[in-house]
Amino acid sequence: QVQLVQSGAELKKPGASVKISCKASGFIFSNYGIHWVRQAPGQRLEWMGWINSGNGETKYSQKFQGRVTISRDTSAYTAFMEVHGLSSADTSVFYCARGSYPYFYGLDVWGQGTTVTVSS
Amino acid sequence: DIQMTQSPSTLSASVGDRVTITCRASQSINIWLAWYQQKPGRAPKFLIYKASTLETGVPSRFSGHGTGTDFTLTISSLQPDDFATYYCQQYHTYPYTFGQGTKLEIK
Repeated sequence: QVQLVQSGAELKKPGASVKISCKASGFIFSNYGIHWVRQAPGQRLEWMGWINSGNGETKYSQKFQGRVTISRDTSAYTAFMEVHGLSSADTSVFYCARGSYPYFYGLDVWGQGTTVTVSS
Repeated sequence: DIQMTQSPSTLSASVGDRVTITCRASQSINIWLAWYQQKPGRAPKFLIYKASTLETGVPSRFSGHGTGTDFTLTISSLQPDDFATYYCQQYHTYPYTFGQGTKLEIK
């Protein structure tokens, strides 16, 4: 079935980086974009950016530009998001989600979420 | 960034009630709005796109309306499975911002 499966929970120290994977199955990976959304404890969903899985083009929220890198491996049907310079404010659940392109209508398939805890 | 504001933040209702959640954008977003349902500890579920089009498989008791800056999500007859938090998301302009959520609680 159509699904996105994310890598497991991470515990990181302040200043470290984290790289999360998102493996797709059940659909043609290169026909869709993969978006990343984070949710801090008790907070709203926050859109971070996306990658066009076909051509590799990326778009980031300005809030995360320069600190977040989204990439993909089309042969592995996997997208990745790396966050650099972590702080306690980055403690969140990170989700990957599928979005259509060139016309985006919403995020119709979501990964299960990856909890990243930043603590010294 | 376009600010999305939902009201109310919390809504208490009973099974069978009709409820409406409002989402307001800080500038016009035409019809480029989606709605999601999220339960505790779970990923969001996609409900509605283009303000009023139901995603495949979403029950017909859900409906969306609006254009420009003001939007609503209505559940015509609440079912036990509907108690959750609901988020709107605009996709008119990057970054694709979400509302703060409306928690629908059992009265």
